[in-house]
Amino acid sequence: EAGVTQFPSHSVIEKGQTVTLRCDPISGHDNLYWYRRVMGKEIKFLLHFVKESKQDESGMPNNRFLAERTGGTYSTLKVQPAELEDSGVYFCASSPTGYTEAFFGQGTRLTVV
Amino acid sequence: GENVEQHPSTLSVQEGDSAVIKCTYSDSASNYFPWYKQELGKRPQLIIDIRSNVGEKKDQRIAVTLNKTAKHFSLHITETQPEDSAVYFCAASIGSGTYKYIFGTGTRLKVLA
Repeated sequence: EAGVTQFPSHSVIEKGQTVTLRCDPISGHDNLYWYRRVMGKEIKFLLHFVKESKQDESGMPNNRFLAERTGGTYSTLKVQPAELEDSGVYFCASSPTGYTEAFFGQGTRLTVV
Repeated sequence: GENVEQHPSTLSVQEGDSAVIKCTYSDSASNYFPWYKQELGKRPQLIIDIRSNVGEKKDQRIAVTLNKTAKHFSLHITETQPEDSAVYFCAASIGSGTYKYIFGTGTRLKVLA
């Protein structure tokens, strides 16, 4: 069974540019989560999808971040325009229900210069 | 807001010795506590978890203990091996009945051969 996959693995962009991160959850997993780890700090919750619906986006830092999950399959997280403090590792995780283990992707390391 | 504190941030042990990582949480409604191991360049992987109705759980060389009254939980690794070297994250569910997590800041464990 394929795991959670994220693209790209690394991205370096200039401040003010736009970046889109993609997450493909494990097939059949209705729940999809985005997390972010800023250098040396904790992994912080960003938002939670159940199928295509945003269940909880309380962790989204501001309106420069937009997450979508078209058709309840893969998800994208767009940052526009990117700022220096957006640098970090963005993790995606999925689970079949909201009451089972979440499986993580390998993360996308975003560097804004 | 809710938070999880994790200590130590780095830990070096000799191969064969034990390693202990401690976490405290603030949300008394948290009822699920997973531990993730992240090796360099790889995805965080669940290694053990514990629910609030259990005080201790063991899986071979890994054990987790939970003290709900004191709101702390610990990871114990016995007979450490070089392949145990990684960053370990503790997490607590936000509220009950949910797999939205608050993570600790991580512990970098180095097992010296």
